[in-house]
Amino acid sequence: DTGVSQDPRHKITKRGQNVTFRCDPISEHNRLYWYRQTLGQGPEFLTYFQNEAQLEKSRLLSDRFSAERPKGSFSTLEIQRTEQGDSAMYLCASSKRGKASTDTQYFGPGTRLTVL
Amino acid sequence: AQRVTQPEKLLSVFKGAPVELKCNYSYSGSPELFWYVQYSRQRLQLLLRHISRESIKGFTADLNKGETSFHLKKPFAQEEDSAMYYCALSATMNFGNEKLTFGTGTRLTIIP
Repeated sequence: DTGVSQDPRHKITKRGQNVTFRCDPISEHNRLYWYRQTLGQGPEFLTYFQNEAQLEKSRLLSDRFSAERPKGSFSTLEIQRTEQGDSAMYLCASSKRGKASTDTQYFGPGTRLTVL
Repeated sequence: AQRVTQPEKLLSVFKGAPVELKCNYSYSGSPELFWYVQYSRQRLQLLLRHISRESIKGFTADLNKGETSFHLKKPFAQEEDSAMYYCALSATMNFGNEKLTFGTGTRLTIIP
């Protein structure tokens, strides 16, 4: 297992286009998170899945954003009608409930989105 | 709502000198605190967590609830410590959502 993977690593699109990102978590990790990171900021939480259920969405996630995890394995994040303000690094993280009170989240390399 | 503050965006330290990266948080409950590190061209990775009380790569961090701080320290800096460091807080939400709230990060540069 090579860890959390994300595809594509880079995406350049024109304003108004739709984009979709994919995240493959570590095998058997039942928890999956999406974060967004803009220049000079730390990652900000977008949404969380436990297995296939999307259990929380941040207010940052406008109606143009949708995320799925159909079989409780990989996840997709789609942005419709992209805007220049959507330009950011989109990070995926996964974890598995263990003995620690809070699980360690393992991050993927991220997808860098540039909206022209 | 929770908040994490890292007052220093940039920190330069000479090799062999002590390092301290500051982190303050605000949260009304009982948080869990973490330090994540991102080396050049690598992904974000966990460095240490307060609950483990471990020393990782010579770094330690003590949770001070009175001062709401979780400063990261290392007595003797090494060149390989140059990286971006993020302090993060986890507040367990409903359904086990342990989302992390990150600070803005501190870029540490070790001067040879």
